[in-house]
Amino acid sequence: KQEVTQIPAALSVPEGENLVLNCSFTDSAIYNLQWFRQDPGKGLTSLLLIQSSQREQTSGRLNASLDKSSGRSTLYIAASQPGDSATYLCAVRDGANSKLTFGKGITLSVRP
Amino acid sequence: DGGITQSPKYLFRKEGQNVTLSCEQNLNHDAMYWYRQDPGQGLRLIYYSQIVNDFQKGDIAEGYSVSREKKESFPLTVTSAQKNPTAFYLCASSPRGAGGRDEQFFGPGTRLTVL
Repeated sequence: KQEVTQIPAALSVPEGENLVLNCSFTDSAIYNLQWFRQDPGKGLTSLLLIQSSQREQTSGRLNASLDKSSGRSTLYIAASQPGDSATYLCAVRDGANSKLTFGKGITLSVRP
Repeated sequence: DGGITQSPKYLFRKEGQNVTLSCEQNLNHDAMYWYRQDPGQGLRLIYYSQIVNDFQKGDIAEGYSVSREKKESFPLTVTSAQKNPTAFYLCASSPRGAGGRDEQFFGPGTRLTVL
C-alpha cells in the first residue's frame, strides 16, 4: 500500500529565503506526482504535475523534482514571500486509473 | 470561466438527517472524485467516478452515496449512517486516460457540521 510522508509538518522561514519542501513515498512505481497548495478553509490549488517519465517541472518561482528510485520529490520555492504562506500537499498516483494518495501536508509560514 | 463549483459553502445538519452536497464542473472532465478532510489527517477518498453512470467506492465510502447521471455533476449524499460526518468535503475532477496528464483540480469545498 502506497504511503506518502511529508516532514516536517510545519515550517517557518523569513521572507526572501529559498526553501525546499520534501515528500517521500514508499512504492517507487508511480504514474505521476502532483503538488498542491491549500489556503485555510479553501480547496486545493494544483501547482505542478510531474509525470513518471519526467525529472522536474517548473512554474514561476516553483520547481518540483522527482526521483522515483529513491521515492522522493521536492518542491523548491525561490525567494519566498508572505503570500506563499499556506499548506503544501503532495500526492502520488500509482497507475493510470488509480487514486491519488496524499501526504498530510507541510504548513509553511513566511515571516515578513 | 472553467472550473469546479461546490455548494453550499457551509452546511449544518441535525443528527439523523441526510444531506446532499453539490459538485458541478464545466471542464469537460470524465473523472470526478469526493474527498473528506479532517484536521491533522490527509485527504481520504470517499467515492470516485471515471465515466457517466459508473462510480466506485473509495477508502471510506460507508455512510455515503453518490450518483453520476451527467458528466458535469457528481452529488454526494451524507446519510444518517455516517457516524462522524462533521468534516470539510472536497470535490475534484480530472481528464481520464490523458497519458499521465490527468491533473486533478479541486473545488472550493463544503464544510459540513452536524449539530
